[in-house]
Amino acid sequence: EAQVTQNPRYLITVTGKKLTVTCSQNMNHEYMSWYRQDPGLGLRQIYYSMNVEVTDKGDVPEGYKVSRKEKRNFPLILESPSPNQTSLYFCASRRDRKNIQYFGAGTRLSVL
Amino acid sequence: TQLLEQSPQFLSIQEGENLTVYCNSSSVFSSLQWYRQEPGEGPVLLVTVVTGGEVKKLKRLTFQFGDARKDSSLHITAAQPGDTGLYLCAGGGYIPTFGRGTSLIVHP
Repeated sequence: EAQVTQNPRYLITVTGKKLTVTCSQNMNHEYMSWYRQDPGLGLRQIYYSMNVEVTDKGDVPEGYKVSRKEKRNFPLILESPSPNQTSLYFCASRRDRKNIQYFGAGTRLSVL
Repeated sequence: TQLLEQSPQFLSIQEGENLTVYCNSSSVFSSLQWYRQEPGEGPVLLVTVVTGGEVKKLKRLTFQFGDARKDSSLHITAAQPGDTGLYLCAGGGYIPTFGRGTSLIVHP
């Protein structure tokens, strides 16, 4: 079954404590992305990757890092989380720019 | 960044009613996608429209792409409680733009 798997689904942390949200896809997709979803603001892209070792900033990259060492994995790293990064995060993948984008189930992050 | 405005923001209707959700922009998009998102889950693609004036049907859902490829609409006929969810339109390429969504509740 085609899947994008995010972990953890829920996370509560404190300001400044580094965290990583993992994302893995089993469809051999080239493209992967991270989004955050906030009430009234919709989905906004944080970073995207077109292939292994190729990443680029989306609309709201500040405070986030990503890596793409393997095709299937695209972790999102918050080196020093702050309360304004409290949000619902989604990872997504697609075969190429024109294809269907598959989303993970989301990670709800609270930074206290 | 290209902007997509969705309306209405919220919609609460009774089972059996018809409804239309709009997605508008001042920019031209090469394609537009419509997604539905249910609570606790990620968005799921419903349809992609590519050609200006294109109409696509998915059971009781009808999607239309404007002639100028700046706007799109989603019409649901005889809405059912299972249609409840957040409907999102999106357009663009490497950095897709999402509308803020229309939250639909269909009461039995």
